Amino acid sequence: EAQVTQNPRYLITVTGKKLTVTCSQNMNHEYMSWYRQDPGLGLRQIYYSMNVEVTDKGDVPEGYKVSRKEKRNFPLILESPSPNQTSLYFCASSSPRGPNSPLHFGNGTRLTVT
Amino acid sequence: AQTVTQSQPEMSVQEAETVTLSCTYDTSENNYYLFWYKQPPSRQMILVIRQEAYKQQNATENRFSVNFQKAAKSFSLKISDSQLGDTAMYFCAFFFSGNTPLVFGKGTRLSVIA
Repeated sequence: EAQVTQNPRYLITVTGKKLTVTCSQNMNHEYMSWYRQDPGLGLRQIYYSMNVEVTDKGDVPEGYKVSRKEKRNFPLILESPSPNQTSLYFCASSSPRGPNSPLHFGNGTRLTVT
Repeated sequence: AQTVTQSQPEMSVQEAETVTLSCTYDTSENNYYLFWYKQPPSRQMILVIRQEAYKQQNATENRFSVNFQKAAKSFSLKISDSQLGDTAMYFCAFFFSGNTPLVFGKGTRLSVIA
């Protein structure tokens, strides 16, 4: 089954403790992206990657890192999480990047930073 | 920069009735693409319908249709014969080109009442 898999689905952590949210897609998509969803703000892009070893900042990249060493994986790294990063996170992919290849979303990761 | 505005934070509709969700956007581009995504309580992001700006004909997908008014920069979603399963958050989204993000509105929470 074609899908984008995020793990974990729920995560509770404390301020400053490094964490990684994994994202993997099995559709051989070039484009991958991370969004965060906050009430009243919709979804905002954190980082994106057009292909392997190519990553770029989105609208809200502060406090996050990503890597794209393999085509299928695009982990989101929070080196020192803070409470304002409490949010619902979505990974998404498409191929090629364009309107005829809409984004496929993962099921989301609910992160709480205390 | 492109912006997407959904002016109705919450709406409700009786089962089997028709409801229209509004969306306006701002862009100086001529060729772009618009989407409606549905997010049920499961948090999954599901593509409902999409519209290419160069097409004058309004897109339809079963009970879902859009009213695309390019000059007015308006892109409303009509849901006919509403069903309980239509209860969800609905996001309007705009896409322009390859490395630009999918820009989301803040969402409209729709409740279908039996």
